[in-house]
Order: sequence, then structure tokens, then C-alpha cells
Amino acid sequence: GAVVSQHPSWVICKSGTSVKIECRSLDFQATTMFWYRQFPKQSLMLMATSNEGSKATYEQGVEKDKFLINHASLTLSTLTVTSAHPEDSSFYICSARGPYGGETQYFGPGTRLLVL
Amino acid sequence: RKEVEQDPGPFNVPEGATVAFNCTYSNSASQSFFWYRQDCRKEPKLLMSVYSSGNEDGRFTAQLNRASQYISLLIRDSKLSDSATYLCVVTPSLYGQNFVFGPGTRLSVLP
Repeated sequence: GAVVSQHPSWVICKSGTSVKIECRSLDFQATTMFWYRQFPKQSLMLMATSNEGSKATYEQGVEKDKFLINHASLTLSTLTVTSAHPEDSSFYICSARGPYGGETQYFGPGTRLLVL
Repeated sequence: RKEVEQDPGPFNVPEGATVAFNCTYSNSASQSFFWYRQDCRKEPKLLMSVYSSGNEDGRFTAQLNRASQYISLLIRDSKLSDSATYLCVVTPSLYGQNFVFGPGTRLSVLP
């Protein structure tokens, strides 16, 4: 199946710093990728839809200036958490739609962010 | 009302048991339906898509009832390795690409 990678797998940072998370589709091109956030004991919540070559579409309540998304190529999307605060600590997961169309999404392994 | 709701769980069942999970969705225009499983501290992995005609994959059977806006997952002869959180996922519209996740139902299969 399609493989999606994320880097880093975990990060600990001080409050106020910015953290960049990369999401790559390893063996296929993904014009659309998705960024989710999952807090403990809760389900995944879509943050934004990342479209290659255009601006991301953010879900209601997600600050676009705080969560910067760049989808500069067909295999890479990045999420930058700017000026991170402890409440941003979460599990961030990206996904991409599979290589043959359809609506199945393949998820990256996730990035655990802990902001101290 | 949440867009996607699931049995609250957790379900604790012995090995070999049959267990069923239920899911309801509020948007009648929803187009696609999936069951994903998520192991602790891992990403979700596709278990199966759900079709109107129902579909089966080994010990797993999924059913969709569009009239009742209801999806189910049946696991027969449960194994220890089935222990996970099962997520009901809905694509809300024909043109929407995003997934809406249910809150998940945790299953623990006990020896």
C-alpha cells in the first residue's frame, strides 16, 4: 500500500519556539494532504487540507497564522507550529489520498509534540 | 449532535468472542464510509471500506444502512491482536475530501 512518512516522530521544545513537521508520500504523488491533531483519549480532528501549489484550507477554529502549511511539491507537505505553547502539545498526524484516486487516506506515523 | 457518533466503549471481551460496534452519522449527504483501527500511540490504519451491499474481509464484516445513517462492524472469533480503538470514518459530501472521524470505540480482547 501507499506509504506516508513523517518527521520528526517526536519533538520536545520550549514555549515560544517554532516546530516544523514534514509529511512525505514515499512512493506516490499526493496533490492533497491532510493535517490532523489528536489530543489524549480523543479522536482525530482535521486541522487543514493541504493542496500542492496553493494555499491550505483551514478548518474553523484553526489559526492559519499559527499553523503554517506549505505543500511545495507533490510528495511533501510541511506543518509549522509557530510560537508553540503548552496547549499545542498533541499528536499531529498527516495523511494523503492514495495514488489511484479514491477516497482512502493513508496516514503517516504521527509526530508527538510536547511544549514545555 | 456530533457528526459521527460511536458506541462509547470500552469493550472487554474474551478471546474467540464476537463483538459488534455501531456508528451513526448525522449528514445524510455523506458519501463514503470506512473503519480504521488505531493502536495506542500509533496512526490510524485502514481496516475496511464500507459499502451499501455490506462487505466482509475474513473475520470482519461491515454493514451500511443509509436510510438509518448507521454503520456497523462485526468482529468474529476475536484475537488478542484485535485490541485497538476502532474509528468510524465518514466523508461528508460528494465533493469533500476530508474525513470526519468518530470518537472511536476501544476494544480489549482478553486471554
